[in-house]
Amino acid sequence: GENVEQHPSTLSVQEGDSAVIKCTYSDSASNYFPWYKQELGKRPQLIIDIRSNVGEKKDQRIAVTLNKTAKHFSLHITETQPEDSAVYFCAASNPLLFGNEKLTFGTGTRLTIIP
Amino acid sequence: DSGVTQTPKHLITATGQRVTLRCSPRSGDLSVYWYQQSLDQGLQFLIQYYNGEERAKGNILERFSAQQFPDLHSELNLSSLELGDSALYFCASSGNTGGGTDTQYFGPGTRLTVL
Repeated sequence: GENVEQHPSTLSVQEGDSAVIKCTYSDSASNYFPWYKQELGKRPQLIIDIRSNVGEKKDQRIAVTLNKTAKHFSLHITETQPEDSAVYFCAASNPLLFGNEKLTFGTGTRLTIIP
Repeated sequence: DSGVTQTPKHLITATGQRVTLRCSPRSGDLSVYWYQQSLDQGLQFLIQYYNGEERAKGNILERFSAQQFPDLHSELNLSSLELGDSALYFCASSGNTGGGTDTQYFGPGTRLTVL
């Protein structure tokens, strides 16, 4: 089955600087890669996702890049703000394959923005 | 608010007991997924139902079972509870309309504490 590795496990950046979180996946058939943000005790919230037919997607200060050949994808947050502090999870799935839509999550990155 | 609801919010029970967690998906979503989040295991996929039928199974214990009813709400039953079952249990839903439109939206979770 799919295996997703995520690095780093913790990340501290100064407010205003950029943060980058990286994930690798094992199943070359995976074609959907969402990123979720989770605040303490709350539900995971989708912040951005990318599908395998594109290499990059951007939404304001957040961007995701995908390298299918190397089987890795990254989350980039620019101009970080205190409210970006949370745990971020990457995930992978193959929603076009019947019975394979489940998300396999990375282990999470605790991002702390230092004011 | 994702549109996915879960009850109860908190559940405290004793070892050996049985509990039922309930989830109502977003209006129109046919798929329901259950995930377990514990401190040392991250977010783990348990089981998926699609339009009333089991679609995929993860590392779900035999003591755990689930079902999806005709109105599409789902219940996760946990029996013979052990201390290690203490965790956050999330339900997510998606449309599964095909064509890659399968974003999963998470409910607020049920925090289970087994004493």
